[in-house]
Amino acid sequence: QQPVQSPQAVILREGEDAVINCSSSKALYSVHWYRQKHGEAPVFLMILLKGGEQKGHDKISASFNEKKQQSSLYLTASQLSYSGTYFCGTEKGDNYGQNFVFGPGTRLSVLP
Amino acid sequence: DAGVIQSPRHEVTEMGQEVTLRCKPISGHNSLFWYRQTMMRGLELLIYFNNNVPIDDSGMPEDRFSAKMPNASFSTLKIQPSEPRDSAVYFCASSSQGSDRYTEAFFGQGTRLTVV
Repeated sequence: QQPVQSPQAVILREGEDAVINCSSSKALYSVHWYRQKHGEAPVFLMILLKGGEQKGHDKISASFNEKKQQSSLYLTASQLSYSGTYFCGTEKGDNYGQNFVFGPGTRLSVLP
Repeated sequence: DAGVIQSPRHEVTEMGQEVTLRCKPISGHNSLFWYRQTMMRGLELLIYFNNNVPIDDSGMPEDRFSAKMPNASFSTLKIQPSEPRDSAVYFCASSSQGSDRYTEAFFGQGTRLTVV
């Protein structure tokens, strides 16, 4: 039931772009994105609800394709502060709070 | 608000001992989650409460684990007896549910548990 994230890890130079994907074998109601820096707690980035909307703030945006049961996180002109592990969390089903689960994470390293 | 507060930040205990982790959610939040994070298994949802009622505890690994939320401002996760494989970082998170579904969750700083 855990969503699949790809790639598992990515190394970038400052200013480069990256895409992190999250996919599920089950129909999704929503996808959540969090970032966790080493030794710290996960921090919320955004939630996308079914409907294919795209959200974003600053230079980080995300899309959600419910038909394909996948979401993508886009990091544009990456900064050193973007380094960390990115988790997607997926919510399935029609009942409140059913089967929310995090993916295994994608480790992003931004180098100067 | 001070955010989600967890205690202790670090706990080292001997195998077989009882361990109690504590969490104070953000005031006004009505959902509380307990997660466990390890290198091998990643971030796992153990249990979550809504309005102080346990809604889904399917992630609790075994009967040695129990969680309570006696009121809206306090929750505990207890492990009795503890085993070395319980060593992990345990996070508590809270959120404010609107009309439906999960919303943004705020995580505490975690409790690093080491069972020797």
